[in-house]
Amino acid sequence: EDQVTQSPEALRLQEGESSSLNCSYTVSGLRGLFWYRQDPGKGPEFLFTLYSAGEEKEKERLKATLTKKESFLHITAPKPEDSATYLCAVYSGGSNYKLTFGKGTLLTVNP
Amino acid sequence: GAGVSQTPSNKVTEKGKYVELRCDPISGHTALYWYRQSLGQGPEFLIYFQGTGAADDSGLPNDRFFAVRPEGSVSTLKIQRTERGDSAVYLCASSSVSNEQFFGPGTRLTVL
Repeated sequence: EDQVTQSPEALRLQEGESSSLNCSYTVSGLRGLFWYRQDPGKGPEFLFTLYSAGEEKEKERLKATLTKKESFLHITAPKPEDSATYLCAVYSGGSNYKLTFGKGTLLTVNP
Repeated sequence: GAGVSQTPSNKVTEKGKYVELRCDPISGHTALYWYRQSLGQGPEFLIYFQGTGAADDSGLPNDRFFAVRPEGSVSTLKIQRTERGDSAVYLCASSSVSNEQFFGPGTRLTVL
């Protein structure tokens, strides 16, 4: 069974203080790893899909990387508006396309 | 363009009652998913539709839960004899061939 573990559970940063969020996964065969952002009371907002080890994707202050065992979401010079819960999910293929999510990392960026 | 929409945004019901939750996916998306999210947890898969048929319903917790998508677009999640443990946010997502799932805002269900 696919498993996703995210760490830390919560992270508090000062504005401009760069850091990384971790997503460790166990799957029978990774077909895709997804990062989402979720604001309170809202649905998850799609950020990135990574498909193979070594792949990297960037969007504004966010950069996602992937190895064979984990993914990192790097946040460079964060701003208060980056505060949210960041969710990682994996897709292991087959015919169902369901995503298995971690519990998320709650990021708070203080001004 | 319009994203995934869900109605109602909030639903409060009493234990034992029947509820229906509606999802309107992104136009043209053939795949539709239902997830359930409890406080402090990530979304958990319930059911997946490809077109009108339920391709995978392995995440439905028991036979009180049922979902339909009769015309391959709008879907309804139905919960019979609701229990307090059913309280959660129910999320709907849709995707095209890219497999990237786009989520709606969710329906917060509270069973008293």
